[in-house]
Amino acid sequence: EIVMTQSPATLSVSPGKRATLSCRASQNIRSNLAWYQQKPGQAPRLLIYGASTRATGIPARFSGSGSGTGFTLTISSLQSEDFAVYYCQQYNNWPPWTFGQGTKVEIK
Amino acid sequence: QVQLQESGPGLVKPSGTLSLTCAVSGGSISSTNWWSWVRQPPGKGLEWIGEIYHSGSTNYNPSLKSRVTISVDKSKNQFSLKLSSVTAADTALYYCASTRAYSNNWYDYWGQGTLVTVSS
Repeated sequence: EIVMTQSPATLSVSPGKRATLSCRASQNIRSNLAWYQQKPGQAPRLLIYGASTRATGIPARFSGSGSGTGFTLTISSLQSEDFAVYYCQQYNNWPPWTFGQGTKVEIK
Repeated sequence: QVQLQESGPGLVKPSGTLSLTCAVSGGSISSTNWWSWVRQPPGKGLEWIGEIYHSGSTNYNPSLKSRVTISVDKSKNQFSLKLSSVTAADTALYYCASTRAYSNNWYDYWGQGTLVTVSS
């Protein structure tokens, strides 16, 4: 099973500033990585797939990069609605597909 | 736009069987999507349970495989999850989710989730 490790666990950022979230895979997963946003009481929402392709309707301030074992989600200028928990998911090796433990982005 | 809605008992006794259904609207269960279940224990991260294609082909998380069955009901445009021999560790918010295409393995569509508590 591929283990996905996200860092940091919590990221405190001021509105309008940049947020950089990391996700590391225990094995090479090429570019088979997705990012999701989850707000309290809501289901996860797909942000990025293929490591860097934004899903339909996702604002351009969200960008993904990386391949192999190291990946980054960047939010260029945090808006109030962006404070949430973010998960990465690998879909290179199954079963199972695996998720990271999440990074909470909170208001500084 | 596919919409998913989970339903089922919110309380299951230990050693019993958890049974949930996911109704699909805005699309056909026979389309080229993988239909999946993902769970989230309170305050924790996401765990993939398994998936099914409309042909009946399934894939399960090895950690749960001996206890999980996912099935499709084409006549009702829905799919279901059964998890047997449950314990308190199975208490979680259960989501149904689906991909947009057979070759995709990320989840475009999610239900709102249903909380299942395992307790006597």
